[in-house]
Amino acid sequence: QSALTQPAAVSGSPGQSITIPCTGTSSDVGGYNYVSWYQQHPGKAPKLLIYDVNNRPSGVSNRFSGSKSGNTASLTISGLQAEDEAEYYCSSYTSSPTLVFGGGTKLTVL
Amino acid sequence: EVQLVESGGVVVEPGGSLRLSCAASGFTFDDFAMHWVRQAPGKGLEWVSLITWDGGTTYYADSVKGRFTISRDTSKNSLYLQMNSLRSEDSALYYCAKDKGWLTWYFDVWGRGTLVTVSS
Repeated sequence: QSALTQPAAVSGSPGQSITIPCTGTSSDVGGYNYVSWYQQHPGKAPKLLIYDVNNRPSGVSNRFSGSKSGNTASLTISGLQAEDEAEYYCSSYTSSPTLVFGGGTKLTVL
Repeated sequence: EVQLVESGGVVVEPGGSLRLSCAASGFTFDDFAMHWVRQAPGKGLEWVSLITWDGGTTYYADSVKGRFTISRDTSKNSLYLQMNSLRSEDSALYYCAKDKGWLTWYFDVWGRGTLVTVSS
């Protein structure tokens, strides 16, 4: 199972919005609405941000939102804040069944 | 407080075996599937294995299938990962993660991880 494709890095200024794409195949992202996103700060465990493509767990800021079109899912962060600087990973259920993660995207807040 | 605490990570030689443990507390262990996820130093996340709430069904990543075995002991609120025929590419921080529900494939609670190093 190949990893989902994410850009290695994205950046934005405080207050701006950024979008991180996550591309898979019809056997994972495109075939199921079981896409999630995780945020990981250096030296910390990942944190669940989004599940079922566009649902936020309790306590997660509404500045984080998810969407999906075809084989590509996306995470949008609006009103960028300094504390958003972190690594972001998408993941998807697959037909195997297994779970596959994206390679991760490092977000830099300028 | 919901908590997961991993242990058992050490330096082991290629071809060796190791058993990781994860102690769960603060929630009804029986109600949730559990996972192992690993992260090689400086690399991304890799899902390793899943066990359902009752231990009746397990799934593995292709990279560990046939070498790793996941199990759980309800009486001890513990999750395990038996790792055999270890390779250098198995070196990673191994996280224990709680499924968000009965079996959702989402991880809402993570431990701090235990480090496995496979090296001669």
